Amino acid sequence: GAGVSQSPSNKVTEKGKDVELRCDPISGHTALYWYRQSLGQGLEFLIYFQGNSAPDKSGLPSDRFSAERTGGSVSTLTIQRTQQEDSAVYLCASSYAAEAPVPYEQYFGPGTRLTVT
Amino acid sequence: GENVEQHPSTLSVQEGDSAVIKCTYSDSASNYFPWYKQELGKGPQLIIDIRSNVGEKKDQRIAVTLNKTAKHFSLHITETQPEDSAVYFCAASGDNYGQNFVFGPGTRLSVLP
Repeated sequence: GAGVSQSPSNKVTEKGKDVELRCDPISGHTALYWYRQSLGQGLEFLIYFQGNSAPDKSGLPSDRFSAERTGGSVSTLTIQRTQQEDSAVYLCASSYAAEAPVPYEQYFGPGTRLTVT
Repeated sequence: GENVEQHPSTLSVQEGDSAVIKCTYSDSASNYFPWYKQELGKGPQLIIDIRSNVGEKKDQRIAVTLNKTAKHFSLHITETQPEDSAVYFCAASGDNYGQNFVFGPGTRLSVLP
């Protein structure tokens, strides 16, 4: 079946511009995560959506970052007034989440490589 | 919150040898421990996971062991092959995950032919 897809795969933008990154999760997955991965580094948690609950935004590094998830499916991560330090790979993952708060494996998309010049 | 450490950061082995990567976690409430493999230019992919009600799990050449008392878990790869070369991430999560699903910093494994 279809996995998690992300678009664009690569994005080059000038400092100060806004960018939008899109994530299409696996159908039926109610949990969705965004992570940031700098070159050669681990995964930095950004934001988590679970069903209709309020998102966990505790990982967003500044108020220039925001994300939304429409209709419990597609998610968009927006970075306003981009800075060079925002350059990284942005990964999206989705997960099945049962009613009980038991963690399940995450399925990752291929990522969007963002370069801010 | 949870903190996950991973060692070593890089590991080189000869083809056919075994590789072991170790992780420690801080939150005794964590109960789910997955391992992900990330190849160049791709997103991480789950290779094996273990829950806190078991001490060991094996899938062909890959095994994971968990010591809840010591709060550490390890990935074992036997008979390594060049295609095992990748970055491996461990993670730990408890219930009510979200930010509590925490990844280790990763181990770059190189299998030398």
